[in-house]
Amino acid sequence: EVQLLESGGGLVQPGGSLRLSCAASGFTFSSHAMTWVRQFPGKGLEWVSTVSSSGDHTFYADSLRGRITISRDNSQDTLMLQMSSLRVEDTAVYYCAKAMKPGLVPYGLDVWGQGTTVTVSS
Amino acid sequence: QSVLTQPPSVSAAPGQRVTISCSGNNYNIGNNYVSWYHQLPGTAPKLLIYDNNKRPSGIPDRFSGSKSGTSATLVITGLQTGDEADYYCGTWDTTLSGVVFGGGTKLTVL
Repeated sequence: EVQLLESGGGLVQPGGSLRLSCAASGFTFSSHAMTWVRQFPGKGLEWVSTVSSSGDHTFYADSLRGRITISRDNSQDTLMLQMSSLRVEDTAVYYCAKAMKPGLVPYGLDVWGQGTTVTVSS
Repeated sequence: QSVLTQPPSVSAAPGQRVTISCSGNNYNIGNNYVSWYHQLPGTAPKLLIYDNNKRPSGIPDRFSGSKSGTSATLVITGLQTGDEADYYCGTWDTTLSGVVFGGGTKLTVL
């Protein structure tokens, strides 16, 4: 079964850091770009970051650039998101998602994790 | 303010047809493939349409997508109460070098 399982969310104080992980299974992880998407409480989807299949190319949302780093370990089928200088407005559910087709641009995110909740509060 | 524009809500009766629009520009929809997702409350989004008009396996043909210029449309026919969800369009934006989503459309099946 194709599956993504996020972990690492939790409660953190403003200015703190978190490292999210996404464990993949059931598909050739190293062949697909991977993406993080977040969803604020009661709101729509916001793209966070994308990493190419090899990990050589990374893309970041302007609102988070400089505060996050996306990476992947293709030997461990794991996607990561390192987040620092967290703000109250970063409170959201963070999803990892798999690009449906090989390629640099993640057209069509066909597999999503269940999400991990990040709460930034003092 | 989302880069792609969707109506906040649409509604129709069971068995009827509904359309959801998604408007962008030449840097996103105009030159990239569009995807559509739906999201039931408390669950992760699910891919309905990719590459403008293709359905992943398991998605019924009641769901169809199209694109014309800088706009895309999702059509759902034979509405069922289980179709009540939030629907999002998404694509790549060449200027932003990132994925952009619409603000979401809440479908109510009356």
